[in-house]
Amino acid sequence: DTAVSQTPKYLVTQMGNDKSIKCEQNLGHDTMYWYKQDSKKFLKIMFSYNNKELIINETVPNRFSPKSPDKAHLNLHINSLELGDSAVYFCASSQTSLSYNEQFFGPGTRLTVL
Amino acid sequence: AQSVTQLDSHVSVSEGTPVLLRCNYSSSYSPSLFWYVQHPNKGLQLLLKYTSAATLVKGINGFEAEFKKSETSFHLTKPSAHMSDAAEYFCVVNNFNKFYFGSGTKLNVKP
Repeated sequence: DTAVSQTPKYLVTQMGNDKSIKCEQNLGHDTMYWYKQDSKKFLKIMFSYNNKELIINETVPNRFSPKSPDKAHLNLHINSLELGDSAVYFCASSQTSLSYNEQFFGPGTRLTVL
Repeated sequence: AQSVTQLDSHVSVSEGTPVLLRCNYSSSYSPSLFWYVQHPNKGLQLLLKYTSAATLVKGINGFEAEFKKSETSFHLTKPSAHMSDAAEYFCVVNNFNKFYFGSGTKLNVKP
């Protein structure tokens, strides 16, 4: 069973389009995250949700809108895609009630904007 | 303020020789510390974590790391590198459920 899954794995689209990436975790965790990994492998947190509530929003353009329908899902919608949005996007989850919780990562979604 | 510094962006070793990947952190509190590995075109996998128990932490695939509070370091080591260890490694600090990632160290293993 996949712990954290993302769809799609690859996404190629034109500038100006709107696209969504979906994430689901079956670990029973209460916190989920979105990260952006650039071409230099640097990982930058974008958003974090705890029990469907936004708790971290790191200076991300408002073209990016996360949505958490329930605590097992955190989707990322991107409007008016730009060339600079090309990156690998990772979803992760963790259990915040544990004192020393680690994050579990999905396989990533490689977004290419042409 | 919290931050993580991985001192080497690239490390190259020969197969069978020891691996040392360096990580220093700054934290106002006692943090949780992690090492993750990312193989090409894959997601991140947890190698090991420090949770204020033993300062020497053993992880998967023969890796271990030692927490040294006086040096604010959490270096990752392995006695003998294998070709399959070639990957990107990330040191991570967790304070109050906020994760801070280092910039990564790319490990190259030569035959």
